Amino acid sequence: GDSVTQMEGPVTLSEEAFLTINCTYTATGYPSLFWYVQYPGEGLQLLLKATKADDKGSNKGFEATYRKETTSFHLEKGSVQVSDSAVYFCALKPMYSGGGADGLTFGKGTHLIIQP
Amino acid sequence: EPEVTQTPSHQVTQMGQEVILRCVPISNHLYFYWYRQILGQKVEFLVSFYNNEISEKSEIFDDQFSVERPDGSNFTLKIRSTKLEDSAMYFCASSGDSLYGYTFGSGTRLTVV
Repeated sequence: GDSVTQMEGPVTLSEEAFLTINCTYTATGYPSLFWYVQYPGEGLQLLLKATKADDKGSNKGFEATYRKETTSFHLEKGSVQVSDSAVYFCALKPMYSGGGADGLTFGKGTHLIIQP
Repeated sequence: EPEVTQTPSHQVTQMGQEVILRCVPISNHLYFYWYRQILGQKVEFLVSFYNNEISEKSEIFDDQFSVERPDGSNFTLKIRSTKLEDSAMYFCASSGDSLYGYTFGSGTRLTVV
């Protein structure tokens, strides 16, 4: 079945450091890929998405490029802030979905801690 | 910006009791979902709902679980006889488009004691 693998956390960085959170997936065909963020005490918020190979999703300074050849969707940010501290989830939606019926498959999440 | 609203934010129940978790999806969305997140673990898909019926369900969604859209606006998840291992954060989500990601609610933390 489909699966998503993320790097284990917590990831601790200093403010203004460069961030990479690795995400690789296993799925049939060309799934849609997502990054969700969960701030402390809150729900899941869509951060960015990409629906086909070589697409780059971007939002709030974060970027991720859909790499079919490496089945990856790594999350990057050039200069992190304390306010970026959260749990980040990589997720996929199957290519063959029945009108939106299929659920998202999530990775285990990566806890990011940014220190001042 | 439209939101998915979940109530209550936290519910404590005794083992064996029935609980109903409530969600108000975004009004023009057509697809509805429940997910759960056991503390410290990944978010897991439970069930999807479209056109007033279940579209897909995971292995977790056994006979103890049911969903309903009773009045065209609310979307509920019922657990008939709660177990300790049902303690988790339950997220509702809705989607207006089959191709893209969903809008999640802020979750209901269910604690079974």
